[in-house]
Amino acid sequence: QVQLTESGPGLVHPSETLSLTCTVSGFSLTGYSVYWVRQPSGKGLEWMGRMRYNGDTSYNSALKSRLSISRDTSKNQVFLKMNSLQTDDTGTYYCTRARRVYRVMDAWGQGASVTVSS
Amino acid sequence: DTVLTQSPALAVSPGERVTISCRASESVSTGMHWYQQKPGQQPKLLIYGASNLESGVPARFSGSGSGTDFTLTIDPVEADDTATYFCQQSWNDWTFGGGTKLELK
Repeated sequence: QVQLTESGPGLVHPSETLSLTCTVSGFSLTGYSVYWVRQPSGKGLEWMGRMRYNGDTSYNSALKSRLSISRDTSKNQVFLKMNSLQTDDTGTYYCTRARRVYRVMDAWGQGASVTVSS
Repeated sequence: DTVLTQSPALAVSPGERVTISCRASESVSTGMHWYQQKPGQQPKLLIYGASNLESGVPARFSGSGSGTDFTLTIDPVEADDTATYFCQQSWNDWTFGGGTKLELK
């Protein structure tokens, strides 16, 4: 079945870089896009960016200067890197699978909790 | 950015019908989707394309609307439906509503 699993450090110091990995199974990264979404504790959801099925990327304009998304199709992994982290970047980070039709996120990982603190 | 506005909270009794609304700041055609999120869990897709029921989701859930005004209906509401419901548009990039917390009386 379709699975997405986020992994990465739970604690990041201010001004440092966050690196997260999304490992997928049950579908191909060349057939579906993978999006990253984050959620500050107790708050709403924010779309961060995407790795399209064809290898193209696009980013939320508010995060574009700090964010990079890449992939390794041989390992079924998508990577997120975001630099210059601050305390308001604390929250849960999800990777999701998106269908081409409607560009809807139809499967979500369980989320990676990230705390930015010194 | 397309801003999506939802009422923050609703309280209903089991067996009743509830409608959760979402208004977009500009037209999103039928590029509107609904998710359910329970505490400590990831969001789950319920409705896509404004009115299409996701596979495996109970038929008690339905969606309607186009353009700027959308509705998620649960009829009848069950105790397990206690959750926060988010609308999300994919017509103009991707944005989410602030969520509607549904509580049962």
